[in-house]
Amino acid sequence: DVKVTQSSRYLVKRTGEKVFLECVQDMDHENMFWYRQDPGLGLRLIYFSYDVKMKEKGDIPEGYSVSREKKERFSLILESASTNQTSMYLCASARLAATDTQYFGPGTRLTVL
Amino acid sequence: AQSVTQPDIHITVSEGASLELRCNYSYGATPYLFWYVQSPGQGLQLLLKYFSGDTLVQGIKGFEAEFKRSQSSFNLRKPSVHWSDAAEYFCAVGARDSWGKLQFGAGTQVVVTP
Repeated sequence: DVKVTQSSRYLVKRTGEKVFLECVQDMDHENMFWYRQDPGLGLRLIYFSYDVKMKEKGDIPEGYSVSREKKERFSLILESASTNQTSMYLCASARLAATDTQYFGPGTRLTVL
Repeated sequence: AQSVTQPDIHITVSEGASLELRCNYSYGATPYLFWYVQSPGQGLQLLLKYFSGDTLVQGIKGFEAEFKRSQSSFNLRKPSVHWSDAAEYFCAVGARDSWGKLQFGAGTQVVVTP
C-alpha cells in the first residue's frame, strides 16, 4: 500500500521561529510537492521537486524554502515563521508522468502564534 | 496557464439522493482532469481522472465524471449518496508539459443529511 507520511499532524510555533516540515514517501516516486490548504482557496502549490536536489517554485513560494537530499524525503522550511503562514500543509508524491496520480499525506496543521 | 473553478462552495444532499458537483476549467490544449476527495482529518484521495479516450470516466466509490470540451467542464456525479460521502471534493487540472503540477479548485464541501 502506498504511503506518504508527514512528521507532525499538529504543530504550534512562535513568530520568527524556523520551522521544518518533513515528508517521506515509500513509493520511489520522482515528483514530490508541498501545498498549503486554506478555506475557500483550495490547495496552492508552494514548491515541487522532480529529482533529488532539484526544486521548482510553485504559485506561492515566498517565505518558504525546500530541501530534497534523498529521493524519498522532501522538507519544507519556514525560515522565519509568521502568523499568515498558519495553515494546513499537505505533501504529495507522484511519478513523473503528468497523468500520474498524486498521493497525499495526512497533512500538518501549523499554527504560528 | 490552467485554472479551475468550482462554483459551489457548499452542497447539502439527502442520503440516497443523487449528487452532481460542478467543475469548469480554463486551458488552451487538452487538459488532464482529476477529482480528489478529502474526508475529515485525512489527506486527499484520487476518485478518478481523465486525460484521453472515453469522455465518461468511472472512478472509485461509485463516482463518475464526464468531460465536455464544448463547455470546459468536468462534472462529478453519483447516483445515490451514502453518509460516508460527506467530505470536501476538489477538482484539479494538469497539462502534458506541466511536470505533473496541478491547479486545484477551491473545493466543494458536501454535507449528507439523513
